Amino acid sequence: DIVMTQSPDSLAVSLGERATINCKSSQSVLYSSNNKNYLAWYQQKPGQPPKLLIYWASTRESGVPDRFSGGGSGTDFTLTISSLQAEDVAVYFCQQYYSTPYTFGQGTKLEIK
Amino acid sequence: QVQLQESGPGLVKPSETLSLTCTVSGGSVSSGSYYWSWIRQPPGKGLEWIGYIFYSGSTNYNPSLKSRVTISIDTSKNQFSLKLTSVTAADTAVYYCARIWTWFDPWGQGTLVTVSS
Repeated sequence: DIVMTQSPDSLAVSLGERATINCKSSQSVLYSSNNKNYLAWYQQKPGQPPKLLIYWASTRESGVPDRFSGGGSGTDFTLTISSLQAEDVAVYFCQQYYSTPYTFGQGTKLEIK
Repeated sequence: QVQLQESGPGLVKPSETLSLTCTVSGGSVSSGSYYWSWIRQPPGKGLEWIGYIFYSGSTNYNPSLKSRVTISIDTSKNQFSLKLTSVTAADTAVYYCARIWTWFDPWGQGTLVTVSS
């Protein structure tokens, strides 16, 4: 199984400041034949299901604000929120879809400082 | 747009079988473009993929649960279902259904299943 490890487990950032969440996979999720990273990011607010934010490691889902961006390749990835808004308080998960069993990071809880 | 809704008992006794159904609206489970999946989340914890099914009936399960899981599909009702046998307290979780193309989207709202006598 590919193990996904996020850091930090929790993060407190001031409104308007940048928030960065890291995700590391135990093996590469870059598929060489198409040069795509098989990694997605989700946002989960209390009492709600996860919501897809980013796929292919850096492609923003339709409707997701452009303050959210994804980066990285291979085994190391980041989710960045350029200017934190109050509505961004949530738990964020990375997930690999390179191989089954599909696996998720343990989650990063983002709060307002 | 496609919407998914889980249904089933919220309380299951230890050693019994958990059974849930996911009803799909705004789209068809017979679409050859997607897989249909179950994911669970124990209270306050992370996400665990359970398995998926294709409209043809082919399945893929998480090895950690494979011996206890069956996912089936009913194209006539536009539904797919989950059965998990011999449940214990460790199976207490919010169970989500979701559509997969490669990533999971969209998700159902989730249903809490508690295993307790």
